[in-house]
Amino acid sequence: AQSVTQLGSHVSVSEGALVLLRCNYSSSVPPYLFWYVQYPNQGLQLLLKYTTGATLVKGINGFEAEFKKSETSFHLTKPSAHMSDAAEYFCAVSPFGNEKLTFGTGTRLTIIP
Amino acid sequence: DADVTQTPRNRITKTGKRIMLECSQTKGHDRMYWYRQDPGLGLQLIYYSFDVKDINKGEISDGYSVSRQAQAKFSLSLESAIPNQTALYFCATSEARDSPPREQFFGPGTRLTVL
Repeated sequence: AQSVTQLGSHVSVSEGALVLLRCNYSSSVPPYLFWYVQYPNQGLQLLLKYTTGATLVKGINGFEAEFKKSETSFHLTKPSAHMSDAAEYFCAVSPFGNEKLTFGTGTRLTIIP
Repeated sequence: DADVTQTPRNRITKTGKRIMLECSQTKGHDRMYWYRQDPGLGLQLIYYSFDVKDINKGEISDGYSVSRQAQAKFSLSLESAIPNQTALYFCATSEARDSPPREQFFGPGTRLTVL
């Protein structure tokens, strides 16, 4: 079985500051890991995904995430927040070879002008 | 994503009513999914379908049924709606020919309120 824990249901950062959204996972087999973003009144869209290989994954809109097996973490970062980053962010895990995604409970990111 | 459409976008209904939520896609994907989103709970998988003849239950299928009328259409039904089915419902698609892990593409959602 697999699960995802997102620490902090709400995170606020100032415009231009570092964004750090935390995700820890548990999986009985090597996982695929994802970050999705949901803008207000929209569906989810993929930010980035980890498969195998390089542990630092770059995504869209300047976001990146690092897979740390020893810490079972896949935290999302962006060096400089922009107002347009305000959204809800979901971490998700899928066991290797399995189609089904298990989502975390989400983190709502607010950007302070 | 404009390629995955959901109708209606908003619906208010009463306890005990039958309701159908529809999902259509023009992406040509063969895999389709229904999720519900509740505040503070993230998304939970209700049903998924890998092709027209292959339908599978997800984590929370009780009280729901689905129909895959064609490759492009996947409907979710609530036979007798109850208030705790009030939620935001999302349809998603993915392409079997893509290498795993396959990205899922989400529709804009249907906000359902059961009074």
